Amino acid sequence: AQTVTQSQPEMSVQEAETVTLSCTYDTSESDYYLFWYKQPPSRQMILVIRQEAYKQQNATENRFSVNFQKAAKSFSLKISDSQLGDAAMYFCAYRIPYSGAGSYQLTFGKGTKLSVIP
Amino acid sequence: SQTIHQWPATLVQPVGSPLSLECTVEGTSNPNLYWYRQAAGRGLQLLFYSVGIGQISSEVPQNLSASRPQDRQFILSSKKLLLSDSGFYLCAWRYPTLQEYNSPLHFGNGTRLTVT
Repeated sequence: AQTVTQSQPEMSVQEAETVTLSCTYDTSESDYYLFWYKQPPSRQMILVIRQEAYKQQNATENRFSVNFQKAAKSFSLKISDSQLGDAAMYFCAYRIPYSGAGSYQLTFGKGTKLSVIP
Repeated sequence: SQTIHQWPATLVQPVGSPLSLECTVEGTSNPNLYWYRQAAGRGLQLLFYSVGIGQISSEVPQNLSASRPQDRQFILSSKKLLLSDSGFYLCAWRYPTLQEYNSPLHFGNGTRLTVT
């Protein structure tokens, strides 16, 4: 069974600084997808960034980038130039490419609460 | 553009009472629809999904049920709530495609359900 582990329940970062959130996963699959979701106090889940396992190049989305180490099964999120609006729960998630017709089974970690200090 | 609406935002219900949470999607047709539950301190768990009107698949056995009476409407129900049904419920949609890149999940704002 796939598992996703986020070992940092809470993190804090100074505004404008850089922070890295850790995520490791366990799978026997060779092809899969990895995601980082953000859940601000409004509680809406927002997709931040995603990575296809077959792509060696790390995904980037503006100030957000990942460090994907497939052999180590590690998928960390780096937030550069942190802003107050980045304060949220961040969830790492995993899925295999095809989970059955219509099914979209994501395996989530327990989340990391990020605080941004002004 | 597509939007997803979910209501109510919060709900407090006594044990044994019925439940109805509603989710609607605008701006797209024939979406895949999903109900997820987020328990305190945990990630999301997929409860139900639907690929079309009247088509419901359940991922986990539970006290809840789902229905899709219209193409863009997805309802989560219970006849008798249990204390263990408390949690945060999220509705989501995506285009009906196996292609991941251009079809991520889009979540609603969620419903905080407290069963007392």
